[in-house]
Amino acid sequence: AQSVTQLGSHVSVSEGALVLLRCNYSSSVPPYLFWYVQYPNQGLQLLLKYTSAATLVKGINGFEAEFKKSETSFHLTKPSAHMSDAAEYFCAVSKTGFQKLVFGTGTRLLVSP
Amino acid sequence: GAGVSQSPRYKVAKRGQDVALRCDPISGHVSLFWYQQALGQGPEFLTYFQNEAQLDKSGLPSDRFFAERPEGSVSTLKIQRTQQEDSAVYLCASSLAVVTGGPTEQYFGPGTRLTVT
Repeated sequence: AQSVTQLGSHVSVSEGALVLLRCNYSSSVPPYLFWYVQYPNQGLQLLLKYTSAATLVKGINGFEAEFKKSETSFHLTKPSAHMSDAAEYFCAVSKTGFQKLVFGTGTRLLVSP
Repeated sequence: GAGVSQSPRYKVAKRGQDVALRCDPISGHVSLFWYQQALGQGPEFLTYFQNEAQLDKSGLPSDRFFAERPEGSVSTLKIQRTQQEDSAVYLCASSLAVVTGGPTEQYFGPGTRLTVT
C-alpha cells in the first residue's frame, strides 16, 4: 500500500526565511507525488506534481520540490517565506496519477513578521 | 462553472438524522472523488466515480454511507443515521482523468463541514 509521512505537524519560519516541509513516501512502484495547500475554510489547491519527467519540480507561488528516489523523499521548499504562505500543506501520493490520492497528515506553516 | 462547488457549506445534524451532501464538479470532468477530512488530519478517500459508474467505494467507512452520480455530473453523498464520529469536512474533487500523458490534477471544492450533535 502506498503512504506518505510528513515530519512535523507545525513548522514556524520568519518572513524571508527558507521554507522546508518534509515528505517521505512509501511505494512499491514509482509513484506520482503531489503537494497541495489548504487555506482556512477552503479546498485544496495543487502546488506542484511529480511526473517522473524531472526530479526537480517547480510549482506555483515560488515553491519547488525535489524527488529523491534513494531517500524516498519529496520535500517542499521555498527560498523566501511570505506572510501569505501561512497555510496547511499536504503531501499526497497516487499509484497511477489519475486515481485516488493518499494524503499525509499535513504540516501547518506559520510565518512570523 | 468556474470550479467545483459543494452545498451546503455547513451542516449540523442531530445524531440519527440522515444528511445529503451535494457536489457540482467542473463541467466536462469525467472523474469525481469524495474525501473525508477529520479535524487535524489529511483527507481520506471515500469513493470514486468515472462518469456515472462508481468504480471504487473501498473507503466508505460503513454501509450508512452511500454515494451516487446518476447522470455523470452532479454527485450526492448520503449519510444515514449520522453518528458523532461522522463529524468532518467532506471534500469533493473532480478531474479530467486523461489516462495517458501523466498525472491529472484533482480540483477540490471548498468542502461541507458536517457537525453531528
